[in-house]
Amino acid sequence: DAGVIQSPRHEVTEMGQEVTLRCKPISGHNSLFWYRQTMMRGLELLIYFNNNVPIDDSGMPEDRFSAKMPNASFSTLKIQPSEPRDSAVYFCASSSNEQFFGPGTRLTVL
Amino acid sequence: KQEVTQIPAALSVPEGENLVLNCSFTDSAIYNLQWFRQDPGKGLTSLLLIQSSQREQTSGRLNASLDKSSGRSTLYIAASQPGDSATYLCAVKGNYGQNFVFGPGTRLSVLP
Repeated sequence: DAGVIQSPRHEVTEMGQEVTLRCKPISGHNSLFWYRQTMMRGLELLIYFNNNVPIDDSGMPEDRFSAKMPNASFSTLKIQPSEPRDSAVYFCASSSNEQFFGPGTRLTVL
Repeated sequence: KQEVTQIPAALSVPEGENLVLNCSFTDSAIYNLQWFRQDPGKGLTSLLLIQSSQREQTSGRLNASLDKSSGRSTLYIAASQPGDSATYLCAVKGNYGQNFVFGPGTRLSVLP
């Protein structure tokens, strides 16, 4: 298995633009997680899905953030409109028991 | 609400030393505990997973133990090497949810 796949790996955008991050979990995993990591706040759980259903989105910072999981092999995290304070590394992870992380998307909002 | 802490926040040791990293959690009703390492600018790599029914797990020079009653896990690294330099994080999965709660990590530097 190729592991958790994320795209893009790097994204630079201007404030106000829409940003979409993509994730393909490991086949057979029933849970998917989106995290954000910054130097100041460390690793934060934004949202997680179980069997494609959002279970806990209490970590989503505000309404500008949304996440979907239309099927077991794909999820998106969207930020609209983006702001400079959204700059961070965004990780996707999947799990059936043990959790595995993707390589992350480094987002820079100018 | 589960809270996870890790002590120390940073550790610097000379090459060859054996060392212990600590992870503490407040709610003992856990499903499993997982140790990760993160290299600068990289993602998290899973090192060891301990189920709640287990006391320890070993992989090469790494040994992780779990004591649910005291809310503690330790990661023992034998004969440390410069390549072990990274940030080590523990994460706890509770019995009543699918999410993992992470500690803040211990930044390890192994000096040649």
